[in-house]
Amino acid sequence: QKEVEQDPGPLSVPEGAIVSLNCTYSNSAFQYFMWYRQYSRKGPELLMYTYSSGNKEDGRFTAQVDKSSKYISLFIRDSQPSDSATYLCAMNYGGSQGNLIFGKGTKLSVKP
Amino acid sequence: DAGITQSPRHKVTETGTPVTLRCHQTENHRYMYWYRQDPGHGLRLIHYSYGVKDTDKGEVSDGYSVSRSKTEDFLLTLESATSSQTSVYFCAIQGGLSSYNEQFFGPGTRLTVL
Repeated sequence: QKEVEQDPGPLSVPEGAIVSLNCTYSNSAFQYFMWYRQYSRKGPELLMYTYSSGNKEDGRFTAQVDKSSKYISLFIRDSQPSDSATYLCAMNYGGSQGNLIFGKGTKLSVKP
Repeated sequence: DAGITQSPRHKVTETGTPVTLRCHQTENHRYMYWYRQDPGHGLRLIHYSYGVKDTDKGEVSDGYSVSRSKTEDFLLTLESATSSQTSVYFCAIQGGLSSYNEQFFGPGTRLTVL
């Protein structure tokens, strides 16, 4: 079993839809959870960062962590064509073990 | 922009040749990382550094070495490139305004080994 599982998609939605992206993980020691957005042929861009369980909102984006279920989500409200990208979840243990463990990414397409 | 540059941005080389990729940061961060990104595998850690001359191996370190003689530069060397090392290589630095654990990525180097 991979440490971090993420449905690769592709996911296609109409403009204005609410998008839900998810990852599951197996190691309960993960403490820090991140979502990255990656446009084609570009580097990953940090979107959301959360520590432990709970919700965090930033504009149209909401990150949710449920440590009891080992499940994290990213919600995008009022999706735009400019949101079309690959979304990567990532997590680490924190402290001196900062290297990130990534999901394989979900490719999202928002149609006008 | 997290102040990370990578060079070269693209490189084509032949099997058996040495290759060095450079990551440069302007933020004075202690931790730096090298990842590779491949279809079907996602991003995987190659090596990382926690200070000048302090480095350690990651998940896929075989065939790679690193060096960090200055805080701002982290070099990744393929001693003898193989076709399996064809990939996109990303450098990352750790440390952000919100949390020390945030990581920010460079633009990547696309390497092709023929």
